[in-house]
Amino acid sequence: KQEVTQIPAALSVPEGENLVLNCSFTDSAIYNLQWFRQDPGKGLTSLLLIQSSQREQTSGRLNASLDKSSGRSTLYIAASQPGDSATYLCAVKTGDGNNRLAFGKGNQVVVIP
Amino acid sequence: SQTIHQWPATLVQPVGSPLSLECTVEGTSNPNLYWYRQAAGRGLQLLFYSVGIGQISSEVPQNLSASRPQDRQFILSSKKLLLSDSGFYLCAWSRDRGWSEAFFGQGTRLTVV
Repeated sequence: KQEVTQIPAALSVPEGENLVLNCSFTDSAIYNLQWFRQDPGKGLTSLLLIQSSQREQTSGRLNASLDKSSGRSTLYIAASQPGDSATYLCAVKTGDGNNRLAFGKGNQVVVIP
Repeated sequence: SQTIHQWPATLVQPVGSPLSLECTVEGTSNPNLYWYRQAAGRGLQLLFYSVGIGQISSEVPQNLSASRPQDRQFILSSKKLLLSDSGFYLCAWSRDRGWSEAFFGQGTRLTVV
């Protein structure tokens, strides 16, 4: 069974600092890995999708890397802003043919103005 | 473009009452559809997924059921709610491809009293 872990569970950073969020998974047989953002009481917004054959994806200030062999992904957010405060979720799509996502519990981020 | 609608946004129901949550997807055909539940401190748990009309797979035994009466409609139901059914319910869709991205609705906050 795929298990996804996100460390740290919560962190606070001053505005302007770079954010580094870590995700690890136990089974490297994945289709892809997806990072989501969730604001309180809201649904999930997809941020970045990395296919299993890719090493990284970038969108604006966001960069996500994937090391499938070691079961790790890192989300970098450059020059953090108070609007980046949210919970960030990592999910891997299992490679068992059922197209299911296994989620971590999230990194709760607060950017202090 | 594709959109996903989920309603209602908030629901307060007494113990023992029935439940019906609806999710519809627009702008695509034959999507994979998913119901997740998010409980505080426990992450997202996959409840049901469907690869086609009338095809439902259940991930965990519970008090809930799901149905897919139309290609882009997914319904989560219960005949008699329990207190433990309280939580945040999220519907999601993806294309029927292992590498495809997943998209989520805005969620339903269910409180059973």
